[in-house]
Amino acid sequence: DTGVSQDPRHKITKRGQNVTFRCDPISEHNRLYWYRQTLGQGPEFLTYFQNEAQLEKSRLLSDRFSAERPKGSFSTLEIQRTEQGDSAMYLCASSLSVVAGKPNTEAFFGQGTRLTVV
Amino acid sequence: AQTVTQSQPEMSVQEAETVTLSCTYDTSESDYYLFWYKQPPSRQMILVIRQEAYKQQNATENRFSVNFQKAAKSFSLKISDSQLGDAAMYFCAYRRFLYGGATNKLIFGTGTLLAVQP
Repeated sequence: DTGVSQDPRHKITKRGQNVTFRCDPISEHNRLYWYRQTLGQGPEFLTYFQNEAQLEKSRLLSDRFSAERPKGSFSTLEIQRTEQGDSAMYLCASSLSVVAGKPNTEAFFGQGTRLTVV
Repeated sequence: AQTVTQSQPEMSVQEAETVTLSCTYDTSESDYYLFWYKQPPSRQMILVIRQEAYKQQNATENRFSVNFQKAAKSFSLKISDSQLGDAAMYFCAYRRFLYGGATNKLIFGTGTLLAVQP
């Protein structure tokens, strides 16, 4: 499967614990995004990487959240001292910035990691 | 700030019939992209159709077409000859028209859950 892969698919953690999620984008996709989706809502942007550079962070991303993409390939999203309000689906997406010489608009999503904080 | 509104939380259609999902958005920009994404249960989000705001012609992809009304800031999705596999959550999304390393994050609506009755 050459799609966007996220691990784990499900995570249950106790409040106050740290969790880390991994996203493997489609090979050679230079852009990678993290979104959060809560029940009954559409995905909300969290952060964006172009290669290894984190170019934008949403105000939704509190100091407890950190994301990395160390070699411009896979990415990790860590949540420290989890709270019940962090319970959500965390989606990763990747894309190419340019296709056939033109700006690309299509992003490919993974199946997400569902986090439950108890 | 840009916003996307989907006023139909749920819709239902008979197999082989046609259904239209509504979406309105708010932006002060003249160039942008609009998308419809499909999210089947427990599966990743996939792109259904996209529209460039500078194109007057409505986009079409097989049984899926859009009615893009730029002045009214309306972007509806029509699904013709509905099939059981069309049952999913549908999200309308907006993206700014930017080049280079600038973010191209998606801004999503809250979604419309489409049921297809056999």
